[in-house]
Amino acid sequence: AQTVTQSQPEMSVQEAETVTLSCTYDTSESDYYLFWYKQPPSRQMILVIRQEAYKQQNATENRFSVNFQKAAKSFSLKISDSQLGDAAMYFCAYRLTQGGSEKLVFGKGTKLTVNP
Amino acid sequence: NAGVMQNPRHLVRRRGQEARLRCSPMKGHSHVYWYRQLPEEGLKFMVYLQKENIIDESGMPKERFSAEFPKEGPSILRIQQVVRGDSAAYFCASSLNRASGTDTQYFGPGTRLTVL
Repeated sequence: AQTVTQSQPEMSVQEAETVTLSCTYDTSESDYYLFWYKQPPSRQMILVIRQEAYKQQNATENRFSVNFQKAAKSFSLKISDSQLGDAAMYFCAYRLTQGGSEKLVFGKGTKLTVNP
Repeated sequence: NAGVMQNPRHLVRRRGQEARLRCSPMKGHSHVYWYRQLPEEGLKFMVYLQKENIIDESGMPKERFSAEFPKEGPSILRIQQVVRGDSAAYFCASSLNRASGTDTQYFGPGTRLTVL
């Protein structure tokens, strides 16, 4: 079964510094999508970044980038120049496609605190 | 705002009552997904629907829970005879088209259900 593991329940970073959130997953598929979602205190789920497994180039969105290691099944999120507004829960997700259906499988999340 | 809409944002029910949660997908989106988030947990898939069809309900509890996405109107997640364990945040997501291979699920703000 596909699983997503986030081994860091909580992380903290100083404003303007860089932080990396870890995510590993388990799958037997060769083509798939991975996502990072952010959930601020408002509880809205916001898409941060997406990576297609067949693309070797790591995805980047402004201050957010990923380190995608397909062989290691690792998908970490790097936040550069951290801002107070980055404080949130961050969820890693794998898009499972099987039998005509699709769904997102989420990790348990990492709570990020940004210190001024 | 063309985002995913959910209502109500907060819903309080007493044990044994019915809860109806509504979701209007983004404009042009014909795929709807429901997820449940228990406290301190990640999101768990419940059901995937297209217009007038349930594609995958493998995450739905066998009893008391049902979902629909009619030809006209919002998708409805219905919980009959609620119990305290149903207290959670329920999120709806929508996507454009699986066939495109690039569809991303965009989430609504969620409905926080509290069962007294």
